[in-house]
Amino acid sequence: DIQVTQSPSALSAFVGDRVTITCRASQDISNYVAWYQQKPGKVPMLLILGASMLQSGVPSRFSGSGSGTQFTLTISSLQPEDVASYYCQNYHSAPLTFGQGTRLEIK
Amino acid sequence: QVQLQESGPGLVKPSETLSLTCTVSRGSIISYFWSWIRQPPGKGLEWIGYVYYNGSATYNPSLKSRVTISVDTSKNQFSLRLASVTAADTAVYYCARTVGMLDYWGQGMLVTVSS
Repeated sequence: DIQVTQSPSALSAFVGDRVTITCRASQDISNYVAWYQQKPGKVPMLLILGASMLQSGVPSRFSGSGSGTQFTLTISSLQPEDVASYYCQNYHSAPLTFGQGTRLEIK
Repeated sequence: QVQLQESGPGLVKPSETLSLTCTVSRGSIISYFWSWIRQPPGKGLEWIGYVYYNGSATYNPSLKSRVTISVDTSKNQFSLRLASVTAADTAVYYCARTVGMLDYWGQGMLVTVSS
């Protein structure tokens, strides 16, 4: 099985800051990575697919990069509505696996 | 836009079988994979498994011995059965359309395992 390790587990930043979350896969998964945002009490929402493709309707301050084993989700200018947990997901092969999640808060 | 809705008992006794159904509307179940995912209170997401519309299913090895996922194309539904549940199976259970990534999700259903 492909393990996915996400860091940090929690993050606090100021409005307007650039925020970066990292996901590392235990083996080469090409660009088969998705990122999700889950606001408190809500359903996870797909943000990015194919490591870097923004899902329709997602604000352009979100971006993804990486390939192989190292992936990054970046928020270029943090907004109050971005308070949420973020998860990466491997879909190179079953079992589908998620990172442990990153809880993002505003300072 | 595809919509998914979970249904089933919200309370299951230990050692019994958890059974949930996901109804797909505003879209066909044909030609897609359909997943179940769960999230224990305050914790992260865990993929349980998925089923293809033809009935072929793949499971998370950590749950494989207890899980069955099936599909009923005539009703546009797919179902989850998790046997021999314990308190550790208490979670919000989500169903989702799967195209590698999970692009449409149900609202989720809290299932509590307790006597």
